[in-house]
Order: sequence, then structure tokens, then C-alpha cells
Amino acid sequence: DGGITQSPKYLFRKEGQNVTLSCEQNLNHDAMYWYRQDPGQGLRLIYYSQIVNDFQKGDIAEGYSVSREKKESFPLTVTSAQKNPTAFYLCASSIILQGNTGELFFGEGSRLTVL
Amino acid sequence: QKEVEQDPGPLSVPEGAIVSLNCTYSNSAFQYFMWYRQYSRKGPELLMYTYSSGNKEDGRFTAQVDKSSKYISLFIRDSQPSDSATYLCAMRGGYQKVTFGTGTKLQVIP
Repeated sequence: DGGITQSPKYLFRKEGQNVTLSCEQNLNHDAMYWYRQDPGQGLRLIYYSQIVNDFQKGDIAEGYSVSREKKESFPLTVTSAQKNPTAFYLCASSIILQGNTGELFFGEGSRLTVL
Repeated sequence: QKEVEQDPGPLSVPEGAIVSLNCTYSNSAFQYFMWYRQYSRKGPELLMYTYSSGNKEDGRFTAQVDKSSKYISLFIRDSQPSDSATYLCAMRGGYQKVTFGTGTKLQVIP
């Protein structure tokens, strides 16, 4: 089945540790995205990438880093510089057609808790 | 002021009721309007996707867009307990990134 796979589903981290969240898609989509979801704040864009080896900061990129070495993969690292990392993280992908992005397809999410 | 405003609810209705969910927005460049449904601890899934003003119907769901008022709605007819979820409106203009509302939590009581 085509889709987006995020792992791990749940992750606990001690303060000061970096963690990496995995996102893999087999939809052959060009664009991939990372969102953060907090109660009462909706989805906020962290980073996005429209092509391999290129990515752009979203609205809340501070304390996060990404890479896009393969079309299928877009891992997110939550660094110790992120002040409030406890959240639900969502990866998404979409096609790019004539310069426009299509609908977003989301993964199941990863819940990160900092102890 | 947020670009997209959405009442967070929660909204509780009896089974079979008609549900109306709404969002307002301030950016007149928005052209594409979407509604996503998100079950607890899951990723959002696209319900409806409309371009510009007008209505779009899909089964029990109807999406309305009024660009002159900067107001969009999602109607759910004959609501079912399985419709209990958080509904997120989302919108974008042309090439721009998608902007999401905060979501409305809906509970349909049997």
C-alpha cells in the first residue's frame, strides 16, 4: 500500500538530547513537509522540501534540522536547542504540478515527550 | 490576528443531527480550501478540496466557500458516531504554503 510511514510512534527524550524522527513515503511525491501540532494551535510548519538536497525553513524552524538525501525520506532532528519540544509531529507529502502543490497526505504522527 | 480562525469547540451533537463547522480568514490571496478530519492520535486525512467560491458535495459532506465574506463551512448531514473527530480547515493561495485552522473537536453522541 502507498503511504507515509513515521517512526517511532512514541518517543521519550531527556533534556539535552537530540532525537531524530523518521519519515518515509512511497507515493513518489516530490514535496515533503514536517508539521508540529500542539493543543489549541493547529498545525505549524517546521520545514519543507520540494526536491532532493534542498529544503526551506517554515514558520518555526528554530531548534530543528532536516535532510533530504533521497526522494522517499525526510528525517527531522529535534535538537537540544528546541526549548519546548514536547509535541505531536506530523510528516506530510504532496505532488507538485505546474508549480502548485497538491493535497497533503499525512503520516500517523510521532509523539515526542521530553522528561 | 491569526490568518485563519476556527472555533475549537468541543461541539457535541446527537446522532442524526446536521453539523456546521466554520472558519474565517483574512488573507484574500487564498484560493484553495480544504477540510481535514483527524481522529485521536492519528494524522489528518483530506475530506474536501475546493477551489474558489461555491459549493461541493460528497455524500453526507458539503463544503461551502464564500470568498466575499472570507468564510468557509463544512456541513455534515445525518451525523454518525464515527464522525467524532477533530476537523481542521486549511487554505492556501496559488503557490503558497498551506495555513491550517486550530481545529474543531466534534463529538456525535449515539
